[in-house]
Amino acid sequence: DIQMTQSPSTLSASVGDRVSITCRASQSISSWLAWYQQKPGKAPKVLIYKASSLESGVPSRFSGTGSGTEFTLTIGSLQPDDFATYYCQQYDSYSRTFGQGTKVEFK
Amino acid sequence: EVQLVESGGGLVKPGGSLRLSCAASGFTFSIYDMNWVRQAPGKGLEWVSYISYRNGFITYADSVKGRFTISRDNAQNSLYLQMNSLRAEDTAVYYCARGRDSNGWYDHWGQGTLVTVSS
Repeated sequence: DIQMTQSPSTLSASVGDRVSITCRASQSISSWLAWYQQKPGKAPKVLIYKASSLESGVPSRFSGTGSGTEFTLTIGSLQPDDFATYYCQQYDSYSRTFGQGTKVEFK
Repeated sequence: EVQLVESGGGLVKPGGSLRLSCAASGFTFSIYDMNWVRQAPGKGLEWVSYISYRNGFITYADSVKGRFTISRDNAQNSLYLQMNSLRAEDTAVYYCARGRDSNGWYDHWGQGTLVTVSS
């Protein structure tokens, strides 16, 4: 299976901060990567697919970059609603795998 | 509005069985790939199983292969997961999720149903 590693595991930030989360794949996955946001007790919500395509309805402060093995999710200006856990997910191989998650918390 | 509603979770003893259901509405269920994804308490997400809309192609995570069976009933707009020989490590919230772009990513998820395997 392709291993997905996110960093950092926890990120402390304030409203208005620009934050970035990195996701690394154990082998090249081209641009076959999605990002999800999950809040406690809720289902994940897709933010980005194909590494950089913004899902309909997702605020434009979210953006994704990268290809191959290294990817980044950036939140341009952190809003109160953005404190959550974020996961990357590869879909290059049949066995889809997720990163371990990055929790964005209040500083 | 797309809705996915899981049911069937509960407490079961190790070695026991459970059948999860996912009722879909608000979209043409028969033309979408569907999946089960689980999340152990306090842990990350793990894809469990996939069923194609086109030809019924099915895949499973190695962790559940031979014990779980995914199926769908397009007439009933429903997805199922039959779980046998359950283990403590199968304890998780189970989500059904709709696949997009050849089942690459998941654009709609249910609210989840909790399965607890414990004696």
